[in-house]
Amino acid sequence: QKEVEQNSGPLSVPEGAIASLNCTYSDRGSQSFFWYRQYSGKSPELIMFIYSNGDKEDGRFTAQLNKASQYVSLLIRDSQPSDSATYLCAVNIVGATSNTDKLIFGTGTRLQVFP
Amino acid sequence: SAVISQKPSRDICQRGTSLTIQCQVDSQVTMMFWYRQQPGQSLTLIATANQGSEATYESGFVIDKFPISRPNLTFSTLTVSNMSPEDSSIYLCSVEEGSGYEQYFGPGTRLTVT
Repeated sequence: QKEVEQNSGPLSVPEGAIASLNCTYSDRGSQSFFWYRQYSGKSPELIMFIYSNGDKEDGRFTAQLNKASQYVSLLIRDSQPSDSATYLCAVNIVGATSNTDKLIFGTGTRLQVFP
Repeated sequence: SAVISQKPSRDICQRGTSLTIQCQVDSQVTMMFWYRQQPGQSLTLIATANQGSEATYESGFVIDKFPISRPNLTFSTLTVSNMSPEDSSIYLCSVEEGSGYEQYFGPGTRLTVT
């Protein structure tokens, strides 16, 4: 059973701090990793994706990937109350055919940024 | 990314009835997916729908309960058949774009079965 694990939180950080969200996965063959943000009552929104070991930065967001440790993280710098949401980690599972490629989602980490 | 719409946005249905959810994309896409998200839970993949082939269902989901159509590259439907209160959930469609399996989601359909 391919799995993606996240701490459910809530993770509470003060405004302006760095929020660090973590995710581990079980399938060593996974090559693509994604972070989605989901506000309450809304659908998931893709905010970052990463394919190679190391860091990838986009504005206040940095995704970090360590395939040897099967670990992916998301850093949010200068956290704002508007960043308060659930963050879902997703990992691509490559199937035998294109019809069986799919994303496996973690249960999500709820982030709370307080003023 | 593609603009995705879903109809209806929400519905309240009686047990034993069926509801068809539509997903429309503003560009042609090969891979479309249907997910379920129950209250407070993460996303569970129901099936993958490719144009021109039968949908591929995940373990625990069957075609008789969740028939899917994919008549062209911009449209798909998911039917929730013979509904029970356990089917109350948010149903989401997504499309795959880009070279690295990125998926983008529609706004979702909130279904309540009474």
